[in-house]
Amino acid sequence: QKEVEQDPGPLSVPEGAIVSLNCTYSNSAFQYFMWYRQYSRKGPELLMYTYSSGNKEDGRFTAQVDKSSKYISLFIRDSQPSDSATYLCAMSTVSSASKIIFGSGTRLSIRP
Amino acid sequence: EAGVTQFPSHSVIEKGQTVTLRCDPISGHDNLYWYRRVMGKEIKFLLHFVKESKQDESGMPNNRFLAERTGGTYSTLKVQPAELEDSGVYFCASSRLRIGRTEAFFGQGTRLTVV
Repeated sequence: QKEVEQDPGPLSVPEGAIVSLNCTYSNSAFQYFMWYRQYSRKGPELLMYTYSSGNKEDGRFTAQVDKSSKYISLFIRDSQPSDSATYLCAMSTVSSASKIIFGSGTRLSIRP
Repeated sequence: EAGVTQFPSHSVIEKGQTVTLRCDPISGHDNLYWYRRVMGKEIKFLLHFVKESKQDESGMPNNRFLAERTGGTYSTLKVQPAELEDSGVYFCASSRLRIGRTEAFFGQGTRLTVV
């Protein structure tokens, strides 16, 4: 069983829609939770970072962590064609913070 | 400020040959990481340098892989001899402090193809 499960998609939505991306995990020791965006032929770019549980908002992006359910989410409001990319959830423990465990990524396409 | 730079962007080598990948971190970043994504798999951790010291190399797949960071600046990752299953994208990342206390910035990756 993978430590982090993420639906690979692809996910296609019309411009302006709200996008919901999710991951589940099995290791209760994870404390750092991240969402990366990766454009084709580019490296991952950190979008959101959350420590432990709770919500975090940054512009059109909201990250949620539910540690009781071992479930994290990323919401994108007013989605734009430029949001089309692969979104990777990632997490790590406090003791091994540098060893980020990535999900497989969800390919998202925003239709104009 | 320049980001994390990786060379080459793409390398095609034959099985059994040697390949050396290079990573130039962001200036002033003591922490440097190597990750890789092989076909159909997730991005996986290889190792972590703090300056020139290997902090964690638990992700290195076998002794065909050798990472160095002389002088605590750029880093190289050598694969010798390369095998078909080594094909994938190798990412380097750097951070000023350790991940969890600060953001890690990733390079664009080196796409390695072993034929």
